[in-house]
Amino acid sequence: AAGVIQSPRHLIKEKRETATLKCYPIPRHDTVYWYQQGPGQDPQFLISFYEKMQSDKGSIPDRFSAQQFSDYHSELNMSSLELGDSALYFCASSLEGRFYEQYFGPGTRLTVT
Amino acid sequence: DQQVKQNSPSLSVQEGRISILNCDYTNSMFDYFLWYKKYPAEGPTFLISISSIKDKNEDGRFTVFLNKSAKHLSLHIVPSQPGDSAVYFCAKRGAKAAGNKLTFGGGTRVLVKP
Repeated sequence: AAGVIQSPRHLIKEKRETATLKCYPIPRHDTVYWYQQGPGQDPQFLISFYEKMQSDKGSIPDRFSAQQFSDYHSELNMSSLELGDSALYFCASSLEGRFYEQYFGPGTRLTVT
Repeated sequence: DQQVKQNSPSLSVQEGRISILNCDYTNSMFDYFLWYKKYPAEGPTFLISISSIKDKNEDGRFTVFLNKSAKHLSLHIVPSQPGDSAVYFCAKRGAKAAGNKLTFGGGTRVLVKP
């Protein structure tokens, strides 16, 4: 079965650079979520989109922005990167009617040096 | 305010025995709890969920019990298999008005010994 695809899987950036993370949800899933997992921490919700509109916002820094496109894929844009942004970034998708089942991608490991 | 807590950071169990993972919550505003399993360098894998109107949900080797009066839920895995060795997260989905985002507990690392 198709799963959530995230690219790239690994990304190394320097401080103050910009990064773009991509997420391709499971086919027919209309909702996308972004989570950040720091070292030794549990995943923290960043932002979500339903039908290309932002549906909820968590602890996402103002330096980050995201959007969902017409094909339902989503991109997380991160600017002025800081060392503390180093983390695993997960994307999850679900069907709006089955919100209680969120399926996660493999994650993008971002390292800021 | 940590709304979801998994007080046991690790659990070791013999293959074939039962694994019991616990999760406590503080905010009663929820309608679903979910359990995820996570291997290193992979995304969380959805295991099972339970709605607030139920006290038990079963799917194969996995059973989740919800005790609303104690604000406690548990995941039972029986029989445990070596492939079950992973980190398990419980997660709370807020009430619909709060959106569909999940709030995760800190995770419990399970080791199933052959």
